[in-house]
Amino acid sequence: EAGVTQFPSHSVIEKGQTVTLRCDPISGHDNLYWYRRVMGKEIKFLLHFVKESKQDESGMPNNRFLAERTGGTYSTLKVQPAELEDSGVYFCASSQVGVSGNTIYFGEGSWLTVV
Amino acid sequence: GDSVTQMEGPVTLSEEAFLTINCTYTATGYPSLFWYVQYPGEGLQLLLKATKADDKGSNKGFEATYRKETTSFHLEKGSVQVSDSAVYFCALVRNTGGFKTIFGAGTRLFVKA
Repeated sequence: EAGVTQFPSHSVIEKGQTVTLRCDPISGHDNLYWYRRVMGKEIKFLLHFVKESKQDESGMPNNRFLAERTGGTYSTLKVQPAELEDSGVYFCASSQVGVSGNTIYFGEGSWLTVV
Repeated sequence: GDSVTQMEGPVTLSEEAFLTINCTYTATGYPSLFWYVQYPGEGLQLLLKATKADDKGSNKGFEATYRKETTSFHLEKGSVQVSDSAVYFCALVRNTGGFKTIFGAGTRLFVKA
C-alpha cells in the first residue's frame, strides 16, 4: 500500500513567486493534515481536512496560504506570494478514524527554500 | 491547550552510550503518545507509540513508557550508534475531536564514533 506522497520534494523559488505543494494521502483516509517546520523550529500544525471540508485551519499563518482538497482526495497548499520566512519543510499527513489506533502517517515532506 | 515539552538539544554522545531524551506533556483526557525521528535530509518517520497509560512503545532498540502519573514519555536507548544521529520529536494526539498532532520542539542528537 502506498504511503502519503508529497510533491515536489524540494523547491527553490524567489521571494514574491508562487509555489503549490501537493499531497496524496493514503487511499481511503478521510483525515488530511498539513504541518510545517521552519528554520529548525518545532513542527507546527497548519490545518486539517475531513474529506473535502476544512475541519480546523487555526494554524494557517496568514492569507498568503491557501489549502484545498477538492473531491476529498489529494490536497494542495499554495503560498502566494512567498516570503523568506516561509522557507522550511512542509509535511502532509493522513489518518482514518478507527484504523491502526488512529495513527497518523506522515509524508516525506516538501522542502521549500525562498531566496 | 495541549502541549509537549522536550529537552533542548543538541545532545552529543559517544557511540554505545546510554540515551535519554525527556518528554512531558499537558493534555486533557488520555492522549496517545508518539516519538518521531527525522534523519538528515529525510522526512518524518514514526519511531514508536503508546496509546494508554503504562504502555511501552519500542522499536530499533528505542523504548518509551507512557507514565500518566508524571505525564511523561521519555525516550531511551541502551547503546546508541552513529546512525542514530537525527532529530527526535515527541508528540501527542488527543483521541477525540480532530486527532491533531501536537509536537515538541525536537531534540537533535549527535553520536560520535
